[in-house]
Amino acid sequence: GAVVSQHPSWVICKSGTSVKIECRSLDFQATTMFWYRQFPKQSLMLMATSNEGSKATYEQGVEKDKFLINHASLTLSTLTVTSAHPEDSSFYICSARQGNTYNEQFFGPGTRLTVL
Amino acid sequence: ELKVEQNPLFLSMQEGKNYTIYCNYSTTSDRLYWYRQDPGKSLESLFVLLSNGAVKQEGRLMASLDTKARLSTLHITAAVHDLSATYFCAVDIPDSNYQLIWGAGTKLIIKP
Repeated sequence: GAVVSQHPSWVICKSGTSVKIECRSLDFQATTMFWYRQFPKQSLMLMATSNEGSKATYEQGVEKDKFLINHASLTLSTLTVTSAHPEDSSFYICSARQGNTYNEQFFGPGTRLTVL
Repeated sequence: ELKVEQNPLFLSMQEGKNYTIYCNYSTTSDRLYWYRQDPGKSLESLFVLLSNGAVKQEGRLMASLDTKARLSTLHITAAVHDLSATYFCAVDIPDSNYQLIWGAGTKLIIKP
């Protein structure tokens, strides 16, 4: 149980294009989903927290107009990187919280974005 | 400032040896999580520690939590090569919309 999928697993795009990443909780309803970014050999950096049906809460320094998050249902959240540039290249990981007392986050497999 | 500090950040050890990774945190929290990350992969949940004195074991890994000392340990017994990975601890932030504060990670290399 508690499986989270992410799609695509990798994407290469040209500078200026937009990229959408999907995160789905496959066998549970996720009351909260999180989007992280990870640079090589570093820890996770939280970008935003999203609750189903409400606007995402972005961390300081994360541009909400650049990283659009939509949490349309209890099983789906999307991150759209708009007008991507090479500095947006990174490993993006989503996680979903099951909503029980454990507060455990289950992670998707990640999406490696390369912007040329 | 809310901080989670892991020690060591890098560890190279021989198979068969024992070692401990330490995770200190600065905030009041009763919940601590250990995750494993293999190169190029996402995070895999290892342990969820929910109360003071909690101890959990899975195979050669054992995790414990002392909320009074704000310290968790991940102990590796008779290490094997397959345990080579980066290990992260994370702490639940009270009243934070369930966000976690992450340690920097401990890169563990186990040599045959």
